[in-house]
Amino acid sequence: NAGVTQTPKFQVLKTGQSMTLQCAQDMNHEYMSWYRQDPGMGLRLIHYSVGAGITDQGEVPNGYNVSRSTTEDFPLRLLSAAPSQTSVYFCASRRRFGGQVDGEQYFGPGTRLTVT
Amino acid sequence: KQEVTQIPAALSVPEGENLVLNCSFTDSAIYNLQWFRQDPGKGLTSLLLIQSSQREQTSGRLNASLDKSSGRSTLYIAASQPGDSATYLCAGRVSYGQNFVFGPGTRLSVLP
Repeated sequence: NAGVTQTPKFQVLKTGQSMTLQCAQDMNHEYMSWYRQDPGMGLRLIHYSVGAGITDQGEVPNGYNVSRSTTEDFPLRLLSAAPSQTSVYFCASRRRFGGQVDGEQYFGPGTRLTVT
Repeated sequence: KQEVTQIPAALSVPEGENLVLNCSFTDSAIYNLQWFRQDPGKGLTSLLLIQSSQREQTSGRLNASLDKSSGRSTLYIAASQPGDSATYLCAGRVSYGQNFVFGPGTRLSVLP
């Protein structure tokens, strides 16, 4: 298993440009999520999905869109990049058993994005 | 809003020491808790997951416990090694939500 993969690893954008960060997992996990990690702020949830066709907002969704057309893929779109979106972006997935039981969360290697 | 504190923020110890990292949630209604390590420039690696029906989990030299009455978790590392140097993060899922909330991490350095 490749686990959770993310592309690209590094990206530089100019203000106003758009782009899509790719995330894929091969573990048949129902739950997928996107986080951003900033110094002093920890990991903050951007968007998440509990299954194909279902997405919802996290703590910091503004400026980002997601879709989940398949179980495997969960791309994150930056609509119009701003310097405040300079960050490291992580995708994660886990089994969703329902109720009080969770599967382990698995993380991708991250995408380091700089917006100038 | 659930907030998570990790103490200490940074720790430097000589090799061989036993150490304890602490994690605390403002809302003690935690279902499940997971500890991760993160090496510089890398993603997060899962260490231990404590389900709602459990109080602790062990893996090798690592032991994590969760006290649901206080919303506190500890990660115990026995006989620390330089390879344990990393940032350790805790994350908890509250009983009324779908998502895990992360602490800011403890940066650990184990000196040879």
